Amino acid sequence: DAGITQSPRHKVTETGTPVTLRCHQTENHRYMYWYRQDPGHGLRLIHYSYGVKDTDKGEVSDGYSVSRSKTEDFLLTLESATSSQTSVYFCAISESIPGTDTQYFGPGTRLTVL
Amino acid sequence: GENVEQHPSTLSVQEGDSAVIKCTYSDSASNYFPWYKQELGKGPQLIIDIRSNVGEKKDQRIAVTLNKTAKHFSLHITETQPEDSAVYFCAALGGLRAGGGADGLTFGKGTHLIIQP
Repeated sequence: DAGITQSPRHKVTETGTPVTLRCHQTENHRYMYWYRQDPGHGLRLIHYSYGVKDTDKGEVSDGYSVSRSKTEDFLLTLESATSSQTSVYFCAISESIPGTDTQYFGPGTRLTVL
Repeated sequence: GENVEQHPSTLSVQEGDSAVIKCTYSDSASNYFPWYKQELGKGPQLIIDIRSNVGEKKDQRIAVTLNKTAKHFSLHITETQPEDSAVYFCAALGGLRAGGGADGLTFGKGTHLIIQP
């Protein structure tokens, strides 16, 4: 998985609790992304980062926030988890501008919100 | 924003036959079209990609074709093998944003390819 780790790999939590997912890369790639994968929807972009402290919203950003204080770490936070955020979350990285370089995906985090 | 449609959602072929998966996109500014293979319990892995200045690209048993005028692209797998069974996703990338950032990929909903022995 191209030097990408995600933690935790599985998590069960209750509605209303905060949750933080971590993506860690050892490739020193500039771009990092968070996607969610749901049956019937494929993968949808939540947020992405194009450098330390530089982030932007994706297609389904409501209810999520991100932070990137170091090149290697990109955190996804659900401030108050809801059942609709039950999903599999994938982190991805790319060395340069998307389209000029490949996006590599991590192994995923399965989140269940009860 | 970009919208990507992928068909079929499920495709079953006999081992050794060919498989074709088709995608259409909506944004004429999109210029990069990757295909990903996802095996159960794993993240998607890039198998082939094509840029808008190329009409066709091959890599052994896999090929991708792009028709910019019609805004569609297809994945072709020949001589299918049991290990080709997986979910395949097409994706499209739009242009850069005015502020210098760039969008992530917009994915199709996936095709579950089943290779029958």
